[in-house]
Amino acid sequence: EAQVTQNPRYLITVTGKKLTVTCSQNMNHEYMSWYRQDPGLGLRQIYYSMNVEVTDKGDVPEGYKVSRKEKRNFPLILESPSPNQTSLYFCASSLQRTGYSTDTQYFGPGTRLTVL
Amino acid sequence: AQKITQTQPGMFVQEKEAVTLDCTYDTSDQSYGLFWYKQPSSGEMIFLIYQGSYDEQNATEGRYSLNFQKARKSANLVISASQLGDSAMYFCAIATSGTYKYIFGTGTRLKVLA
Repeated sequence: EAQVTQNPRYLITVTGKKLTVTCSQNMNHEYMSWYRQDPGLGLRQIYYSMNVEVTDKGDVPEGYKVSRKEKRNFPLILESPSPNQTSLYFCASSLQRTGYSTDTQYFGPGTRLTVL
Repeated sequence: AQKITQTQPGMFVQEKEAVTLDCTYDTSDQSYGLFWYKQPSSGEMIFLIYQGSYDEQNATEGRYSLNFQKARKSANLVISASQLGDSAMYFCAIATSGTYKYIFGTGTRLKVLA
């Protein structure tokens, strides 16, 4: 089954304790992205990756790191989480570049993170 | 910079009626894509429909259609024959062609009444 998986689905942590949220897709998609969703703000893009070893900042990259060492995986790293990073996080992947076709992003199920 | 505006925080519609969810956008790019996503209460994001800036016809996908007015920079989602399962949050998004940078609106929460 074609899917994007994220782990963990729920995480409660404390300020300053490094954490990693994993994202994996089995569709051989080149493009992957991380978003955070906050009430009243919609989804905001954190980082995206156009292929292995190619990443770029979205609108809200501060406090986050990513890496793309393999095509299927795109982990999100919070090296020193703070309470303002409490949010719902989504990973997404896509096969083709936007605008060249019906470029559907496939979203993971989301990770709800609480930083105390 | 690109921007998406969804001015309706919440909407109600009677079952079997049609409803229009508004989306206006701002971009200086000539080639871009517009997307609508649905987020039910379970939380997952579901792709609904796509419109390319150069597409001459409005996109349709089943009960979903996109009323694309390029000169007015609007891309409204029309849901025909609403069903109770359409109750959800709906997001409009834009991305410039050739990039993978998406900008989402703040969403419209739709409630379908029986």
